[in-house]
Amino acid sequence: KNEVEQSPQNLTAQEGEFITINCSYSVGISALHWLQQHPGGGIVSLFMLSSGKKKHGRLIATINIQEKHSSLHITASHPRDSAVYICAVVQGAQKLVFGQGTRLTINP
Amino acid sequence: EAGVAQSPRYKIIEKRQSVAFWCNPISGHATLYWYQQILGQGPKLLIQFQNNGVVDDSQLPKDRFSAERLKGVDSTLKIQPAKLEDSAVYLCASTKQPPEAFFGQGTRLTVV
Repeated sequence: KNEVEQSPQNLTAQEGEFITINCSYSVGISALHWLQQHPGGGIVSLFMLSSGKKKHGRLIATINIQEKHSSLHITASHPRDSAVYICAVVQGAQKLVFGQGTRLTINP
Repeated sequence: EAGVAQSPRYKIIEKRQSVAFWCNPISGHATLYWYQQILGQGPKLLIQFQNNGVVDDSQLPKDRFSAERLKGVDSTLKIQPAKLEDSAVYLCASTKQPPEAFFGQGTRLTVV
């Protein structure tokens, strides 16, 4: 069993739909990253959070430390949101452990 | 602030050939990571440097992979000789203030 599990692995939705991607982890962490990876391979950090909730534009990330669970929400989804979304947890000071990613496709 | 720079962006080689990737982290970032991401999977740590010293290389296949970070700035990752299963995206990341992390664009390697 992986230390970081994401669900779903693949998600296809229509433009405008509300999207939720989940991340569960089994280890102690100091923080959690939500990352976006476009087809070229580059990764952009969307959020880093250690408690509560963060919002940036149409993106919202939440984390529940007690339940070892985090969610990434996208409101009013758009085709340009199509990408792979990766959850990564920070163990100790600097070790990053990645989930397998969720491939999101938003159809117009 | 300039981001993490990687080159080349794409590389196609034949099996048994050698290849090298280069990473220039953000200025002042002491910690540098190399990750391997096979298609459909999350990135896997290959090696972590703190300045020019190795912190963790437990998952680096040392019979064919090597990495160095001379002077604690730029880093190179080499594969010699390459195998078909080395086809992947190789990502470099750096951080000054953990747990923040900044990622490069990656190098997509195809071994044929």
